[in-house]
Amino acid sequence: NAGVMQNPRHLVRRRGQEARLRCSPMKGHSHVYWYRQLPEEGLKFMVYLQKENIIDESGMPKERFSAEFPKEGPSILRIQQVVRGDSAAYFCASSLGTRLEAFFGQGTRLTVV
Amino acid sequence: ILNVEQSPQSLHVQEGDSTNFTCSFPSSNFYALHWYRWETAKSPEALFVMTLNGDEKKKGRISATLNTKEGYSYLYIKGSQPEDSATYLCAFETSGSRLTFGEGTQLTVNP
Repeated sequence: NAGVMQNPRHLVRRRGQEARLRCSPMKGHSHVYWYRQLPEEGLKFMVYLQKENIIDESGMPKERFSAEFPKEGPSILRIQQVVRGDSAAYFCASSLGTRLEAFFGQGTRLTVV
Repeated sequence: ILNVEQSPQSLHVQEGDSTNFTCSFPSSNFYALHWYRWETAKSPEALFVMTLNGDEKKKGRISATLNTKEGYSYLYIKGSQPEDSATYLCAFETSGSRLTFGEGTQLTVNP
């Protein structure tokens, strides 16, 4: 059973471009979470999704950021018109449900130049 | 805003020493408390999920206790080894599943 898979591991984008980060949860996991780690900071919650539904997006910036978890395929975190401040490590985690272990991917390190 | 605090921020111990660190969290709206171990260049690895006041969990030389009434959890490492060097994160879960992480305790075990 493969773990949580994120790709790409590293992503470089120029200011104004779009960044798409993918996350395939562990097999059987229907709960997906995205966290962001800004330089010199800890992990911060962004969004919690279940299949085809956004459950909690209270940690997402209001503009330029969106997330989806379609019925088929990976979860996608999309950042439009990236700015330098979006440079961070973005981690995805999945779980079977609440009060259970969340398993993390290895993260995507986004650098905006 | 939920406040999850961990102390100390960093810790250096000698191989063989036992050590412990603290996680403080809000005592209201408690759902679960998670501990993670995060090694450099790897992904956070779940150690424990604790849900009941008075819970004690153990995995090898690592154990944890939970006090939900006063809002704290301790993580203990017995007989530290160099491979225990990592950042230890706690995360507070409210209903709705989101985890609020502390800043972590960075442990270095010197051989």
